[in-house]
Amino acid sequence: NAGVTQTPKFQVLKTGQSMTLQCAQDMNHNSMYWYRQDPGMGLRLIYYSASEGTTDKGEVPNGYNVSRLNKREFSLRLESAAPSQTSVYFCASSERETAKNIQYFGAGTRLSVL
Amino acid sequence: AQKITQTQPGMFVQEKEAVTLDCTYDTSDQSYGLFWYKQPSSGEMIFLIYQGSYDEQNATEGRYSLNFQKARKSANLVISASQLGDSAMYFCAMREGPTGGGNKLTFGTGTQLKVEL
Repeated sequence: NAGVTQTPKFQVLKTGQSMTLQCAQDMNHNSMYWYRQDPGMGLRLIYYSASEGTTDKGEVPNGYNVSRLNKREFSLRLESAAPSQTSVYFCASSERETAKNIQYFGAGTRLSVL
Repeated sequence: AQKITQTQPGMFVQEKEAVTLDCTYDTSDQSYGLFWYKQPSSGEMIFLIYQGSYDEQNATEGRYSLNFQKARKSANLVISASQLGDSAMYFCAMREGPTGGGNKLTFGTGTQLKVEL
């Protein structure tokens, strides 16, 4: 009953380091999303993938890249981390064919950039 | 302009009482969806309830109901018979346009609910 799995749960980086946040879903969903959550600002969309093979920018894409590796997996990469990227990152997935298109979220990755 | 506005940063409610969390939205689309999510202190985002713009009746899911007033562009969450476990941050979110691939959500800033004995 895994749903959406994110790894790692916690990460500390130094400015300029790179890392990849991993996300996998086992619900056979077509669409996947990456959000960041900052205090007092709710969740903001970074990138999304409507279906396997496609990716698009969201509201705050600068400093990030994504890869939709296959239908299950959608990774988020920080090439050169900055303190402004300290945040909690959430991955989500949804099934676009349903009327509601509910997004289901992973447990989040708490990232600190020093 | 904010697409989703939650004007209550924090709310208190007595156990077993009902509470209403406010949400107003702004869109020019005729087809859209409204969602409420719960985020407990453990951090995960839990889907609670959904209302489509063409749904004629207010959505209900157990103790949760959505008071949808389309003309006023409001989608308030009502929690009946509050429990201690309802203490959490609650987010209102909107999907603009019809369902399809890559339906992005816009979130409000959230309301922190505290249920007291």
